[in-house]
Amino acid sequence: DGGITQSPKYLFRKEGQNVTLSCEQNLNHDAMYWYRQDPGQGLRLIYYSQIVNDFQKGDIAEGYSVSREKKESFPLTVTSAQKNPTAFYLCASSIEKSQPQHFGDGTRLSIL
Amino acid sequence: SQQGEEDPQALSIQEGENATMNCSYKTSINNLQWYRQNSGRGLVHLILIRSNEREKHSGRLRVTLDTSKKSSSLLITASRAADTASYFCAETSGSRLTFGEGTQLTVNP
Repeated sequence: DGGITQSPKYLFRKEGQNVTLSCEQNLNHDAMYWYRQDPGQGLRLIYYSQIVNDFQKGDIAEGYSVSREKKESFPLTVTSAQKNPTAFYLCASSIEKSQPQHFGDGTRLSIL
Repeated sequence: SQQGEEDPQALSIQEGENATMNCSYKTSINNLQWYRQNSGRGLVHLILIRSNEREKHSGRLRVTLDTSKKSSSLLITASRAADTASYFCAETSGSRLTFGEGTQLTVNP
């Protein structure tokens, strides 16, 4: 079955550490997205990519970095510059911009 | 960017009743989408309504759009306990979606 796989499901970060969240899709979608969700709130866009080797900052990109070297993969790195990283991170993809997005089941990041 | 607002923030109903959730948005949209999120899971797309459409149906779901008021509503008819989830609207403008804060729906058996 086609879909989006996020890993790991749970992740813990130590002070000063960078951590990378994985997102892989086999839907052959061009566009991919990373969102952050805090408890009881909606989604905020971190980064998005409409095509391989290209990506744009969303609303809360500071302290995060991404790469898009392959169509299927859009990893997110939470750097030590992100002082409040505890949140639920969701990856999504779509055939093209403005079309319905398919979501992974998220990674929950906590601070040790 | 700005997020839309959903109303109410939380809704609790009995099984079999209808549930109505409202969404206001701020930009000139290409389309507006509704999503559902079960606790601890990713979002699932429910329905998309284009800016030139006024109403759309999908099974027990009915979505309306009023572009003059920049508002949309989602109606779930004959609700079931399995409909318990958070529901989000997302306005589409340009190359991205902007999500609202969501409505937490609880359907009591």
